[in-house]
Amino acid sequence: AQSVTQLGSHVSVSEGALVLLRCNYSSSVPPYLFWYVQYPNQGLQLLLKYTSAATLVKGINGFEAEFKKSETSFHLTKPSAHMSDAAEYFCAVTGSNAGGTSYGKLTFGQGTILTVHP
Amino acid sequence: DGGITQSPKYLFRKEGQNVTLSCEQNLNHDAMYWYRQDPGQGLRLIYYSQIVNDFQKGDIAEGYSVSREKKESFPLTVTSAQKNPTAFYLCASSPFRQGRNNSPLHFGNGTRLTVT
Repeated sequence: AQSVTQLGSHVSVSEGALVLLRCNYSSSVPPYLFWYVQYPNQGLQLLLKYTSAATLVKGINGFEAEFKKSETSFHLTKPSAHMSDAAEYFCAVTGSNAGGTSYGKLTFGQGTILTVHP
Repeated sequence: DGGITQSPKYLFRKEGQNVTLSCEQNLNHDAMYWYRQDPGQGLRLIYYSQIVNDFQKGDIAEGYSVSREKKESFPLTVTSAQKNPTAFYLCASSPFRQGRNNSPLHFGNGTRLTVT
């Protein structure tokens, strides 16, 4: 079974400041991890994914995330926030092994709403 | 452009009525999914289908039904048995491959259902 915990349902930063959105996961098998972004009344768009290659993953719009197995974390960062980054962000996990009830399904965290102040 | 189309964008129904949400994809993806989104709860899986004419219950299937008669289509029916149907419903698809579980989901833009 897998689970995801996103620490902080709301994060507020100033434009140009560092963005840090926290995600911790639990998985009984080696995980695949994803970050998605959702703008109001829209679907989710993939930001980046970790699939057991490099532990530092670069995504779109200047975001990146680092997989830390010892901390079971996959935090999302961006060096300098832009007003257009304001959205809700979701961390998600799925198991890397074939078979089992989790195969092919993502488990999502509760989401973090990012607000960017001018 | 390939993508997932959900219709309608907004849907209003009276309590006790069944309602069907449409989801069509032209990405040639094998797998399709239905998620329900409520504020502060993330996305919860209702049903998923990895192949035509086959589907599986997700974590919150009670009060919902689906069909997968065509690869491109995966409609969701919200029945009168669903106790709290008002929510934002998201359809997704992925290029499911046996033995590979790292394909990201592609999402539609959702249907907001309000039941009064």
